[in-house]
Amino acid sequence: EVQLVESGGGLVQPGGSLRLSCAASGFTVSTNYMSWVRQAPGKGLEWVSALYSGGTTYYADSVKGRFTISGDNSKNTLYLQMNSLRAEDTAVYYCARQVGAPTNFEYWGQGTLVTVSS
Amino acid sequence: DIQMTQSPSSLSASVGDRVTITCRASQSIGNSLNWYQQKPGKVPKLLISAASSLQSGVPSRFSGSGSGTDFSLTISSLQPEDFATYYCQQSYSSPTFGQGTKVEIK
Repeated sequence: EVQLVESGGGLVQPGGSLRLSCAASGFTVSTNYMSWVRQAPGKGLEWVSALYSGGTTYYADSVKGRFTISGDNSKNTLYLQMNSLRAEDTAVYYCARQVGAPTNFEYWGQGTLVTVSS
Repeated sequence: DIQMTQSPSSLSASVGDRVTITCRASQSIGNSLNWYQQKPGKVPKLLISAASSLQSGVPSRFSGSGSGTDFSLTISSLQPEDFATYYCQQSYSSPTFGQGTKVEIK
């Protein structure tokens, strides 16, 4: 059974950093397409970043240069390092596994809340 | 980036009504279009992939159509459990979502 469990969210001051984790089970992160998708309170879904098998990374313009996506094969875990955080980064962050061709987000974690506030 | 525009932003309909939500891409995306349902406080759920492929376990009252730039999601007979927000998402390039359509039951 595919499972994704995020952790690492919390309250952080503007300009601060946070690292989110997404522990996967039932499949291997390194051989799949993985993404982070966020949802600000009361707002819609926004794709943030992707890590594709082979190590290629992609970022939304809104986080480029501030966020870094990575994976740990030994822990089968996806990460999102978030630096220079802003109030507008406040959101629930979901990790998601992309499957299919063309791809879709079939599997989602339960999400972790990041609040950027002083 | 490819922009996705959904309409309407919200709608109110009665149980049993036929409901259609449209999604327009800013450039042609072939059939690289997915639809999700999200209920309050819940994780998004994939309903339809590749424009028209119904996911396993999704009721047959949901259907998707379209290609190129214009797509639609139809609920043939609205049920009370269909109260939710629906999002389209393109996977032709870096993923982008529509702004969502909130479906309320009259």
